[in-house]
Amino acid sequence: NAGVTQTPKFQVLKTGQSMTLQCAQDMNHNSMYWYRQDPGMGLRLIYYSASEGTTDKGEVPNGYNVSRLNKREFSLRLESAAPSQTSVYFCASSESGTLKGEQYFGPGTRLTVT
Amino acid sequence: AQKVTQAQTEISVVEKEDVTLDCVYETRDTTYYLFWYKQPPSGELVFLIRRNSFDEQNEISGRYSWNFQKSTSSFNFTITASQVVDSAVYFCALRETSGSRLTFGEGTQLTVNP
Repeated sequence: NAGVTQTPKFQVLKTGQSMTLQCAQDMNHNSMYWYRQDPGMGLRLIYYSASEGTTDKGEVPNGYNVSRLNKREFSLRLESAAPSQTSVYFCASSESGTLKGEQYFGPGTRLTVT
Repeated sequence: AQKVTQAQTEISVVEKEDVTLDCVYETRDTTYYLFWYKQPPSGELVFLIRRNSFDEQNEISGRYSWNFQKSTSSFNFTITASQVVDSAVYFCALRETSGSRLTFGEGTQLTVNP
């Protein structure tokens, strides 16, 4: 099993460009998440999908959109990138939306917006 | 609102020393889960442990041990006889009953020197 995979691993964008970060999991998990990690701030939740067909905003959703394409895939789109979106982005999945399910993380995408 | 505080931003020890990473949390829920994750220099996040709010037993796994004290809202992590491979950023996280969101602390950078 590959677990959680993310593409691309690195990306440089110019301000105003758009891009989609891809995430897929092969663990048959219902719930998927997108986080951003910034120095000194831990990980902050951008959006999550408790199950296929549903998405909800997290702590920092502004400037992002998501699509839960199917049970396996959950993409994150930046419509008009800004330097403040320079960050490391992590996708995660968990068995269900239940309280105890630990989340499994992908390797991350390092995004720089110039 | 839930909050996780890891007051130690950076800790540096010499190999074979014991080290404790502190985690203090805030929540209004009576049912919740606490987690520890490790982020080595390679960048991925590795799940270490999950503890529910009704189980205050300490847990030991090899050189790792966790001390959960509900009375002080703390969930501290101790590494015994530290090794260079323990060098990483360690995150404490909290998940409440009321949502799917995992709230992370800011992380503690542990450096173990030979």
